Amino acid sequence: DAKTTQPTSMDCAEGRAANLPCNHSTISGNEYVYWYRQIHSQGPQYIIHGLKNNETNEMASLIITEDRKSSTLILPHATLRDTAVYYCIVRDPNSGNTPLVFGKGTRLSVIA
Amino acid sequence: EAGVTQFPSHSVIEKGQTVTLRCDPISGHDNLYWYRRVMGKEIKFLLHFVKESKQDESGMPNNRFLAERTGGTYSTLKVQPAELEDSGVYFCASSQNLDSYEQYFGPGTRLTVT
Repeated sequence: DAKTTQPTSMDCAEGRAANLPCNHSTISGNEYVYWYRQIHSQGPQYIIHGLKNNETNEMASLIITEDRKSSTLILPHATLRDTAVYYCIVRDPNSGNTPLVFGKGTRLSVIA
Repeated sequence: EAGVTQFPSHSVIEKGQTVTLRCDPISGHDNLYWYRRVMGKEIKFLLHFVKESKQDESGMPNNRFLAERTGGTYSTLKVQPAELEDSGVYFCASSQNLDSYEQYFGPGTRLTVT
């Protein structure tokens, strides 16, 4: 079962920042936080990951609380193409063979 | 660089028939994963290959499913005989190393069993 809790759905106006929260209160010390998204009719797509520090790449920013029990994915300027289901996943990449465990995710609708 | 490809994109078969799904991972990626999403459910892990060896097949639902990866390149997932509950989208993903942060997913094969 997924170790994360996310809101079922969110709306965001085009051009605005989309802030997607995730709770992972049972995260262990070696587990990273990953974010993937699935745009309709496509396979899941990696967005970003982090351990304890905030991270930023060309797609998004990831803010992890100091106690690591929750995080927020930020899409700084959402576009219609960002409409997708976003998955927050915790995983230890150094444990060898753990697969990704997907929960229900958050369905983000970007509205014009 | 070509991404993960899957064939066919969509398959419609009758209950009791056999279907074989194919996945071509990114060249050089030793790790290959199969996942699936059945109607209304979350995406679930099926199995994981490291090169040609099955590293973890704990997610395979039953013995009607057979996965192979001969030569450590492409992989096939055969369902025989197919049942109605096998309908869903089957995804393949690959990664270069065991500790790779990113798994690259294919577009999926939509399987419909009637």
